Amino acid sequence: ILNVEQSPQSLHVQEGDSTNFTCSFPSSNFYALHWYRWETAKSPEALFVMTLNGDEKKKGRISATLNTKEGYSYLYIKGSQPEDSATYLCAFDTDKLIFGTGTRLQVFP
Amino acid sequence: SQTIHQWPATLVQPVGSPLSLECTVEGTSNPNLYWYRQAAGRGLQLLFYSVGIGQISSEVPQNLSASRPQDRQFILSSKKLLLSDSGFYLCAARRGGNSPLHFGNGTRLTVT
Repeated sequence: ILNVEQSPQSLHVQEGDSTNFTCSFPSSNFYALHWYRWETAKSPEALFVMTLNGDEKKKGRISATLNTKEGYSYLYIKGSQPEDSATYLCAFDTDKLIFGTGTRLQVFP
Repeated sequence: SQTIHQWPATLVQPVGSPLSLECTVEGTSNPNLYWYRQAAGRGLQLLFYSVGIGQISSEVPQNLSASRPQDRQFILSSKKLLLSDSGFYLCAARRGGNSPLHFGNGTRLTVT
């Protein structure tokens, strides 16, 4: 059984704070690692798909890094805003995508 | 771009009744299709995925089944619902390779 873990489970930060979350996944048979943002009352939306060890991707204030040898990825949000409040999911891709349980972020004004 | 149509949005069904949730995809041919469920307080659990018509892989033994009668149609079914089938069901699709998933709006199922 593939185990994809995310930490922390939840996070409360003030507007303007920077934050980061972790996704841990099996380091063998790596194909790709996905990050999604899931806002309340909406469907999950893709942020990044990462495939190469050492990959760094950025979209606005959000960035992600990937270490396939040790099996982890970090998601960073710089200068959090209330609209960043959502659950952030990572998914380990082996043709089927296995999701972690997510990190729920709440940003207070 | 891909559009995933999923219905109904909400459903309340008694224990023992049948279930049929339908998902259709626009904007891409021969997509990989997925059914996920989020139970209360838990993450997204993969139930079924399909890489082609008639090809279904089941991830979790349970009383649910899936079928793909057409290239862009994916159906989730049950002959007799259990209380534990309650949850939020999401259909997703993607092109081949490591492309990202596109999700439908989901179905909130409550089994009473």
